[in-house]
Amino acid sequence: DAGVTQSPTHLIKTRGQHVTLRCSPISGHKSVSWYQQVLGQGPQFIFQYYEKEERGRGNFPDRFSARQFPNYSSELNVNALLLGDSALYLCASSLAGPLANYGYTFGSGTRLTIV
Amino acid sequence: GQQVMQIPQYQHVQEGEDFTTYCNSSTTLSNIQWYKQRPGGHPVFLIQLVKSGEVKKQKRLTFQFGEAKKNSSLHITATQTTDVGTYFCAGKKGGSQGNLIFGKGTKLSVKP
Repeated sequence: DAGVTQSPTHLIKTRGQHVTLRCSPISGHKSVSWYQQVLGQGPQFIFQYYEKEERGRGNFPDRFSARQFPNYSSELNVNALLLGDSALYLCASSLAGPLANYGYTFGSGTRLTIV
Repeated sequence: GQQVMQIPQYQHVQEGEDFTTYCNSSTTLSNIQWYKQRPGGHPVFLIQLVKSGEVKKQKRLTFQFGEAKKNSSLHITATQTTDVGTYFCAGKKGGSQGNLIFGKGTKLSVKP
């Protein structure tokens, strides 16, 4: 079985542009979470989706949005990019929703660089 | 908001020495998870602890969850060069918003 797949792997954007990052969870996993990891820090929670509904939102500005599709894949959108948005964006899938106790499987991430 | 603190930030050990990282939450957790991230890689799930006072072992790794479900530790016995990486704890608060809050991690380097 394929693991969590994210695309693209690397991306360079300029300030003010927008970006769409994509994630396909492990087959059968219905929960997708997005994290931002700045170099040298732990992953910071952005969004969690379960059964196509937003189940959690971290402390990120409204420039960040996401959605989950009927096939459980997900997109993270970031508008009006800032230099500080440069980071590794990680997608994690989990078997069940936020009330269940399951570990996360992370994808390899998208390395976003803003110039 | 909920915070998860992790110490130390860095640990340099000689191969064969033991290593411990500690995690402390400002609030009671429903569970705590541990992840390992190799340089240039992504976090990989190691284990989950759910019960108060729980202790779990994976070969040379021992994980503990505190009685109050606010702290946890990871202990590695006789480190090897393959143990190199950053170890993160991640706490989950109970309730409908079950997102994981990660600590800043402990970066382990092992000198052969």
